[in-house]
Amino acid sequence: QVQLQESGPGLVKTSQTLSLTCSVSGGSISSGMFFWSWIRQPAGKGLEWIGRIYTSGSTNYNPSLKSRVTISLDTSKNQFSLSLTSVTAAESAVYYCARERLSSGYKSSFDHWGQGTLVTVSS
Amino acid sequence: DIQMTQSPSSLSASVGDRVTITCQASQDISNYLNWYQQKPGKAPKLLIYDAFNLETGVPSRFSGSGSGTDFTFTISSLQSEDIATYYCQHYDTFPWTFGQGTKVEIK
Repeated sequence: QVQLQESGPGLVKTSQTLSLTCSVSGGSISSGMFFWSWIRQPAGKGLEWIGRIYTSGSTNYNPSLKSRVTISLDTSKNQFSLSLTSVTAAESAVYYCARERLSSGYKSSFDHWGQGTLVTVSS
Repeated sequence: DIQMTQSPSSLSASVGDRVTITCQASQDISNYLNWYQQKPGKAPKLLIYDAFNLETGVPSRFSGSGSGTDFTFTISSLQSEDIATYYCQHYDTFPWTFGQGTKVEIK
């Protein structure tokens, strides 16, 4: 059974860089059947897709964040990471990593999620 | 961005009731739509993928239908453990976006 676990600082200063890592167990991050994604959820609000990375290193980002976000892969550690620069207080949220399953070519769904990690952005 | 609009934002129903949630996309997304359940303090859980396919292990009282711009999610007989917020999500064109959520409570 695949499991994902987020880790990283729970507090980040305004204008600094938010960095999180997702450790994957029970399956290889190098499998060609999946993308590896980050999604966030401010307290009491809905879900926002941040971006994803494929085993090849190819990435897709939400255009609203594209200039500030980087998702990277470390296959040797079976981990992927999120870096978000110049954060503001409005970006305080629970950050989830998730596996995006691919099927029948284009079709996809987030079939496994980490438990989420709360990141507070404050001066 | 494609906007996903769910209705209602919240609902209250009795155990055993049939519950229906709608999700409307701002443009045609074929059947590129998934449904998730999120319980308080927990990560979302995939229930329905590709608009109508039931994820393995999910009870058959959950179902989905629709294509194009209009989609429906149904709980055929509401159970107490179904108390949660439900989200639709499209994957037609980037960025993937979610509906605002529908909170389901027991009356």
